[in-house]
Amino acid sequence: QSVLTQPPSVSAAPGQKVTISCSGSSSNVGSNFVTWYQHLPGTVPKLLIYENNKRPSGIPDRFSASKSATSATLAITGLQTGDEADYYCGTWDSSLNVGVFGGGTKLTVL
Amino acid sequence: QVHLVQSGAEVKEPGASVKVSCKASGYSFTSNYVHWVRQAPGQGLEWMGIINPSGGTATDARKFQGRVTLTRDTSTTTFYMELTSLRSEDSALYYCTTDLVNWGQGTMVTVSS
Repeated sequence: QSVLTQPPSVSAAPGQKVTISCSGSSSNVGSNFVTWYQHLPGTVPKLLIYENNKRPSGIPDRFSASKSATSATLAITGLQTGDEADYYCGTWDSSLNVGVFGGGTKLTVL
Repeated sequence: QVHLVQSGAEVKEPGASVKVSCKASGYSFTSNYVHWVRQAPGQGLEWMGIINPSGGTATDARKFQGRVTLTRDTSTTTFYMELTSLRSEDSALYYCTTDLVNWGQGTMVTVSS
């Protein structure tokens, strides 16, 4: 059972918008930067968002993120079939002194 | 530009140990903590531990109950993750990552008799 809670799956049609939530607590999401990854099994997790809402170079602005209190949200607009992947949030837990990830959310573009 | 290159795939028998290396380059070696993360087949990302490259102090996830040892060699700018008493459920892709931002390419560890 993951410390951070994500929905197991989300889906939407091409061109639509989808959001993925990441719920934690005051010791992790509430007090540390949240990072978001796009991941295909067997490959290197692709950094989408760091420090809550910053995009690395090369990541399109279709991907955005926000954080409020103990929850973070990843938004993907203009969905493309190539966006189908697993999405993970991650952060540090200052109380447990460990890194923590969400359980992952599988995005299906219908 | 941060570059992390990991050692190659390993096949081990149950009960054995494995040591995965992660060669760092392109940045100041002591400026970023390094985490180790793994993903077993069909499972999510699992955080294993973290090492401070400056002093070498490390913390690992309680789940591993002392089976994980994280070290670093400042002379070769290389990080190591050793996992002992291997079990079949340790079969996974193992990654090193600086501050969970830059990632190595992953090392497949298979535990099988």
